[in-house]
Amino acid sequence: DAGVIQSPRHEVTEMGQEVTLRCKPISGHNSLFWYRQTMMRGLELLIYFNNNVPIDDSGMPEDRFSAKMPNASFSTLKIQPSEPRDSAVYFCASSTSTGLETQYFGPGTRLLVL
Amino acid sequence: AQTVTQSQPEMSVQEAETVTLSCTYDTSESDYYLFWYKQPPSRQMILVIRQEAYKQQNATENRFSVNFQKAAKSFSLKISDSQLGDAAMYFCAYLRGATNKLIFGTGTLLAVQP
Repeated sequence: DAGVIQSPRHEVTEMGQEVTLRCKPISGHNSLFWYRQTMMRGLELLIYFNNNVPIDDSGMPEDRFSAKMPNASFSTLKIQPSEPRDSAVYFCASSTSTGLETQYFGPGTRLLVL
Repeated sequence: AQTVTQSQPEMSVQEAETVTLSCTYDTSESDYYLFWYKQPPSRQMILVIRQEAYKQQNATENRFSVNFQKAAKSFSLKISDSQLGDAAMYFCAYLRGATNKLIFGTGTLLAVQP
């Protein structure tokens, strides 16, 4: 079975540009999570969806960040406009449900904002 | 608030030897899961092992086992017969079902010497 799929794997952009990260969860999983990993803050949850509905977006840093999940097999995380401090590795993870379930991570997108 | 502490920033082990990585956590909850994830240089987050708090028996996955001390809030990972491919950053993580949020420690970088 395919794991969580993320694209692109690497993204280099200039400050002020829009960045869109994409995620396809594991088939049959109905919870999807976006995490960000930085040296300063480690791994932190940005937002998670259950059955395509955003449940907790308290980790989204500011209005420049937005996330959508239009269907069970696709989610996007958008940064507009991007800033150098957004440079990080962004992970998508999925699980079979909310609550106490294992979250399986995608390979991550390494974002560099110049 | 829940916290996860990994007090060993770096560890080193000889190939074929055994190493133990430490993790402590703070929570007032009784129902939760604990995880160890491995992050090799590729940055992929790979699940190593999971422990349900309600289970007294320590989890084991091949060469990986945990020592779960619920009263002491301790969750260490033992790697037996260490292999070169075990070299990676290891993250301890806590999951509380009510929030669905994985709380990660700061990680332990494991080096395996040939």
